[in-house]
Amino acid sequence: GDSVTQMEGPVTLSEEAFLTINCTYTATGYPSLFWYVQYPGEGLQLLLKATKADDKGSNKGFEATYRKETTSFHLEKGSVQVSDSAVYFCALSDSQAGTALIFGKGTTLSVSS
Amino acid sequence: DAGVTQSPTHLIKTRGQQVTLRCSPKSGHDTVSWYQQALGQGPQFIFQYYEEEERQRGNFPDRFSGHQFPNYSSELNVNALLLGDSALYLCASSLRTPGQPQHFGDGTRLSIL
Repeated sequence: GDSVTQMEGPVTLSEEAFLTINCTYTATGYPSLFWYVQYPGEGLQLLLKATKADDKGSNKGFEATYRKETTSFHLEKGSVQVSDSAVYFCALSDSQAGTALIFGKGTTLSVSS
Repeated sequence: DAGVTQSPTHLIKTRGQQVTLRCSPKSGHDTVSWYQQALGQGPQFIFQYYEEEERQRGNFPDRFSGHQFPNYSSELNVNALLLGDSALYLCASSLRTPGQPQHFGDGTRLSIL
């Protein structure tokens, strides 16, 4: 079945460092891909999305490119801030299986000043 | 414009009891999905409702049931509660179109004693 694999955390960075969180997926159809962020005690917020191969999603300085050839959707940010500390989830929605989201296990990011 | 709202915020039950959780979708959305998020894990899809019918279901036992009302709001019911049902229950709303992002509420924290 469909699945999402994220790099294990936690990821600990200093402010202004470069961030990469790896995400790869397995899907039978042509999935849409998402990154969600979860701050402590809150629900999930959509960070960015991409719906087809080679699409680049971007928001708040974060970017991710839908790579069909490597089945990847890695999250990047050029300069992280303390306020970026949160748990990040990669997810897919496979249109052939409906619109339910399948999530990775999440990667905890901790940024120190 | 109100986002997704869930009630209650927290709930404590004992084994064997039954619980009902409630969700109001974001204005303009017609589809509601429910997810279970265990501590330190990614959300797991329970089921999705559209036009007052269950349209898609994840790998959860039939102790988990739901309902959608004509105003698109939804309930999640869990019978015969087990200790393992302790989790954060997230409601998400969307339009039922492939690739559309789901918008999440802050969740209901359910603790089973």
